[in-house]
Amino acid sequence: EVQLVESGGGLVQPGGSLRLSCAASGFTFSNYWMHWVRQAPGKGLVWVSFVNSDGSSTKYADSVKGRFTISRDNAKNTLYLQMNSLSAEDTAVYYCVRSREGFDYWGQGTVVTVSS
Amino acid sequence: QSALTQPRSVSGSPGQSVTISCTGTSSDVGGYDYVSWYQQYPGKAPKLMIHDVSKRPSGVPDRFSGSKSGNTASLTISGLQAEDEADYYCCSYAGSAWVFGGGTKVTVL
Repeated sequence: EVQLVESGGGLVQPGGSLRLSCAASGFTFSNYWMHWVRQAPGKGLVWVSFVNSDGSSTKYADSVKGRFTISRDNAKNTLYLQMNSLSAEDTAVYYCVRSREGFDYWGQGTVVTVSS
Repeated sequence: QSALTQPRSVSGSPGQSVTISCTGTSSDVGGYDYVSWYQQYPGKAPKLMIHDVSKRPSGVPDRFSGSKSGNTASLTISGLQAEDEADYYCCSYAGSAWVFGGGTKVTVL
């Protein structure tokens, strides 16, 4: 069974940093592209970032470019999102998502709240 | 990276058909056959319903179908059922990013 389990969310002050992790199991992690997608309270889905299967290629939404860094450790079957210079606009549920044909598996999400 | 345009809400009676539109540009929806659709219940993670414009993953009822014409993609739910009441999002590859629509709430009357 495919499982994606996010962790690392929490309350952080504006300007602070947080690192999200996503533990993958039930599939060959190193064969798949991975993404982070977020959803602010009461709002829609927003794509955040992508990493290819070996970590050599990454892409970012304009809203997080230069502040967020996506990475992966295929030996540990884990995806990461390093988030710096956080602002209230980054408050959201962050989902770890696998993709091949569409975003086919989603984690349950981890909540990030940016507030003083 | 502008969001794709979806109607905020659509509704229908059980057994009827509803169609949700998703309008983008030639840089996203019109430029690639990589449109997908997601169903989301409140407080839950989204679920893939359609990928590559019109392909249904295993386990998705054939009441759900997708299509595309020019810069607009569409999701049609035929034979609407009570459990189809949810939020639906379209998504398109856009060359160097992916972009979602704003979401459509489907109400079963």
